[in-house]
Amino acid sequence: GENVEQHPSTLSVQEGDSAVIKCTYSDSASNYFPWYKQELGKGPQLIIDIRSNVGEKKDQRIAVTLNKTAKHFSLHITETQPEDSAVYFCAATDVETSYDKVIFGPGTSLSVIP
Amino acid sequence: DTAVSQTPKYLVTQMGNDKSIKCEQNLGHDTMYWYKQDSKKFLKIMFSYNNKELIINETVPNRFSPKSPDKAHLNLHINSLELGDSAVYFCASSHRGQIYGYTFGSGTRLTVV
Repeated sequence: GENVEQHPSTLSVQEGDSAVIKCTYSDSASNYFPWYKQELGKGPQLIIDIRSNVGEKKDQRIAVTLNKTAKHFSLHITETQPEDSAVYFCAATDVETSYDKVIFGPGTSLSVIP
Repeated sequence: DTAVSQTPKYLVTQMGNDKSIKCEQNLGHDTMYWYKQDSKKFLKIMFSYNNKELIINETVPNRFSPKSPDKAHLNLHINSLELGDSAVYFCASSHRGQIYGYTFGSGTRLTVV
């Protein structure tokens, strides 16, 4: 089955700096890679996703890149703000055959220091 | 409001008791899930239903039994609660094929004492 690893487990950045979170997956059949943000006391919320036919996707200050050959994908947050502080999860699944069984990475706790 | 709603938000109970957590979504999604989040924040899938049919049943003790009366509801019943069941349980829903990803509920924090 799929296994998703995520690094770093904790990340502190100064406000305005960039933050990068990296993930690797094991199942080459995976074709959908979402990223979720979980604020304290709340459920995870989808912030961006990418499918295997795309190498990069951007939404304002957030971008995700995917390297299918290396089975790596990364989240990039630019111009970080204190409200970006949260736990971020990467995930992977094969939407065609896995019945939407999304496997999550262990999470990265991001702190943005004002 | 359109959402995934779970009840109760907090549940404190003694070992050996039986409890249920309810989940409802009004997003028109066809698939619902239960995830368990442990103290280290790790999210692990437990069950998934598509149009009331069980499609994912992970290695979960059979003390846990999901029930989906219709595609808008997915409940979780837990028998003979143990200390290790303490966690946050999240319900989620989606369109099959992850067209817009998951929408999660706000979670139920279960504490077994």
